[in-house]
Amino acid sequence: EAEVAQSPRYKITEKSQAVAFWCDPISGHATLYWYRQILGQGPELLVQFQDESVVDDSQLPKDRFSAERLKGVDSTLKIQPAELGDSAMYLCASSKRKQGIVGNTIYFGEGSWLTVV
Amino acid sequence: LAKTTQPISMDSYEGQEVNITCSHNNIATNDYITWYQQFPSQGPRFIIQGYKTKVTNEVASLFIPADRKSSTLSLPRVSLSDTAVYYCLVGETDSNYQLIWGAGTKLIIKP
Repeated sequence: EAEVAQSPRYKITEKSQAVAFWCDPISGHATLYWYRQILGQGPELLVQFQDESVVDDSQLPKDRFSAERLKGVDSTLKIQPAELGDSAMYLCASSKRKQGIVGNTIYFGEGSWLTVV
Repeated sequence: LAKTTQPISMDSYEGQEVNITCSHNNIATNDYITWYQQFPSQGPRFIIQGYKTKVTNEVASLFIPADRKSSTLSLPRVSLSDTAVYYCLVGETDSNYQLIWGAGTKLIIKP
């Protein structure tokens, strides 16, 4: 079964440093999502791409977070500078269709754990 | 705010049937109900999706009453490996899939 690939799996960084996460969605999936999940809570959508275009980044803290999907395939999420409150799991996900929920399953990667010290 | 309400946690035993109920009083006409499972340190995994009545797949069943204000995920004969967090979500058929996740239900299966 095809999977969403993410790296690194774990990252420890000092506050004020820059950190980046990479995601390779399932081949052929037009929609890519970045979520943030704090321990004990459900995932929170940060940004959603359809192909190379941003569809929704309303919850992305744009003063320090950026995301790109230049060729409409893989994607990078960057945090600069990192803050203590950014410690969380960052999940990448993808879905085949551009919109709609019926039968449009979202597939998640294993996540990237970030600890800011 | 999440559009759903679930119990924070549940316990059961191996071999039992487990039913997790989700309340979604303000569900809209175009909303579908989707359940995900999440193990520690992993991303959520799709379990089942439905609109009304009953849906069954190889993993679970989903029961939705006529008023659609709640739904029940049924896991038959659970095992220790079913210990996980289960999320109930509602979303519009034509939206950009902007599901709002609650805290989910932490299910603990005991031997």
